[in-house]
Amino acid sequence: AQSVTQLGSHVSVSEGALVLLRCNYSSSVPPYLFWYVQYPNQGLQLLLKYTTGATLVKGINGFEAEFKKSETSFHLTKPSAHMSDAAEYFCAVSGQGGSEKLVFGKGTKLTVNP
Amino acid sequence: DAGVIQSPRHEVTEMGQEVTLRCKPISGHDYLFWYRQTMMRGLELLIYFNNNVPIDDSGMPEDRFSAKMPNASFSTLKIQPSEPRDSAVYFCASSYRLPSGYTFGSGTRLTVV
Repeated sequence: AQSVTQLGSHVSVSEGALVLLRCNYSSSVPPYLFWYVQYPNQGLQLLLKYTTGATLVKGINGFEAEFKKSETSFHLTKPSAHMSDAAEYFCAVSGQGGSEKLVFGKGTKLTVNP
Repeated sequence: DAGVIQSPRHEVTEMGQEVTLRCKPISGHDYLFWYRQTMMRGLELLIYFNNNVPIDDSGMPEDRFSAKMPNASFSTLKIQPSEPRDSAVYFCASSYRLPSGYTFGSGTRLTVV
């Protein structure tokens, strides 16, 4: 069964600083990995995903994530935080060729300080 | 496309009442998912459908919860009778087969008093 651990339920950065949100997963089969963002009172929006191939994936709003199989990680980064990045971010995993279920982490709330 | 449409956006009901949440998935998506989000438990998958057929309902908390998908464009999640601990935000999502990812609706915030 798949599982996801997001280190840090709250992360605070200054505007213009690097954003790093951590995600580690466990999966018995090659994973599909996703990052979603949730703004207040809204549903989740897909930021980016890893399926196969290139391990560095780029998403919307300048975010990117790198799949590291040896570390079972899929950390989300953005070089320079913007005030509009303040939101909650969820990492999710699913196993290839198996169930269609996505298993979500508990989420990391990002605060961007002026 | 209007995206995944959920109704109502907010629902306040008294304990013991029946509650019905509604979802219209994106046309052409053949998977539909119901999730519940709370501060304590995060996002929990309740049930999902493929081509209108329930595939996995292992996340449905108890018999008070039921879900149906009578056709490809409509699904309901019903709670009868409702209890205060059911208070949460309920999300519907739809997708093509993975790895396309899900598209979520805006959610229904349920408060049971």
